[in-house]
Amino acid sequence: IAGITQAPTSQILAAGRRMTLRCTQDMRHNAMYWYRQDLGLGLRLIHYSNTAGTTGKGEVPDGYSVSRANTDDFPLTLASAVPSQTSVYFCASSEQGFDTGELFFGEGSRLTVL
Amino acid sequence: GQNIDQPTEMTATEGAIVQINCTYQTSGFNGLFWYQQHAGEAPTFLSYNVLDGLEEKGRFSSFLSRSKGYSYLLLKELQMKDSASYLCAVMDSNYQLIWGAGTKLIIKP
Repeated sequence: IAGITQAPTSQILAAGRRMTLRCTQDMRHNAMYWYRQDLGLGLRLIHYSNTAGTTGKGEVPDGYSVSRANTDDFPLTLASAVPSQTSVYFCASSEQGFDTGELFFGEGSRLTVL
Repeated sequence: GQNIDQPTEMTATEGAIVQINCTYQTSGFNGLFWYQQHAGEAPTFLSYNVLDGLEEKGRFSSFLSRSKGYSYLLLKELQMKDSASYLCAVMDSNYQLIWGAGTKLIIKP
């Protein structure tokens, strides 16, 4: 089934550990995004990539890094996890970046940092 | 600052009609989106409005008034499967999406 695959679906992590959330899409979309969703808040953009080889910072980029080596993959890395990074993380894609097109979301990765 | 307001929670009865409001204050406007998100699942696209007026799509309709900074999502003939959160998002002048916190809709039989 075409779409976006995220892994892991859930993870409990000790503070200070490094963690990479994986995201792969098979729709050949140019743009990809990482959001975090916290109770009572709207989705907040962490990082984005408009095309392979380029990345940009979103609203809440501190403590996170991304790479976009190819069209399909967009991993999100927490270099040294902190409890405030406990959240549900959604990867998304769209045909083009910075346009009015629909976003397609992965099923989310629930991360708990203790 | 930029702000999207929508009610936190609403309750409606199966078979009825419900209107979920969204007001926004953003730096510029390039369209307004509604997404549906069932508990524990990914958001899925419902509608996109960029011009004033009503867009109808089956049981769901979305309305926009740019002068008032206002939109609503209208759900008719409510079904139990419509129990979900409904997210309003506005695209600003930089084509950045600003998201509301979502409205949790509870459908009762």
